[in-house]
Amino acid sequence: DAKTTQPNSMESNEEEPVHLPCNHSTISGTDYIHWYRQLPSQGPEYVIHGLTSNVNNRMASLAIAEDRKSSTLILHRATLRDAAVYYCILLGNNNDMRFGAGTRLTVKP
Amino acid sequence: KAGVTQTPRYLIKTRGQQVTLSCSPISGHRSVSWYQQTPGQGLQFLFEYFSETQRNKGNFPGRFSGRQFSNSRSEMNVSTLELGDSALYLCASSPFPGHSYEQYFGPGTRLTVT
Repeated sequence: DAKTTQPNSMESNEEEPVHLPCNHSTISGTDYIHWYRQLPSQGPEYVIHGLTSNVNNRMASLAIAEDRKSSTLILHRATLRDAAVYYCILLGNNNDMRFGAGTRLTVKP
Repeated sequence: KAGVTQTPRYLIKTRGQQVTLSCSPISGHRSVSWYQQTPGQGLQFLFEYFSETQRNKGNFPGRFSGRQFSNSRSEMNVSTLELGDSALYLCASSPFPGHSYEQYFGPGTRLTVT
């Protein structure tokens, strides 16, 4: 399965934009890029996903590199509620979702 | 819309016993997936169901099984429990199966095997 690489942790100030990077150099043509986040003692929460084009929704934006070997999750204005572990996942046809270590985002007031 | 619900939320069992966990998907969602999450292994995929049929299966022993009912509700069963089965078991639903759809997770069932 194609793997992803994310920084272990990042910090942001409240109400500032946050750019969370993810490298996935071995992505295959049919893999979708998904982002989920998880707070302690809670189930994961869907954030956004895409295949080739950049995507926007009410929570975030996903910028996908032209060669698809990397992507960036953009939170336009971080709030304290956005503090969580963010997981970048590649999903293929077998839909085998696995979380790696993810990026722990800390938001400072 | 109500979210994904899982019952029970917490469970304590002893080695050798079996356990059944239940998941009710979001109304209108027809696909249900199950995951095991542990601090050491992270999140691991167990299986995916759609229209009462298992579509995909992760790399878990046959002691782990599941099923889906005609109303899309799903159950998973673990037989002959081992200490290593202690984990958070998560259920997720999506409108349809496959990797192009987002999944919505329930709060999980925390299973402790003693």
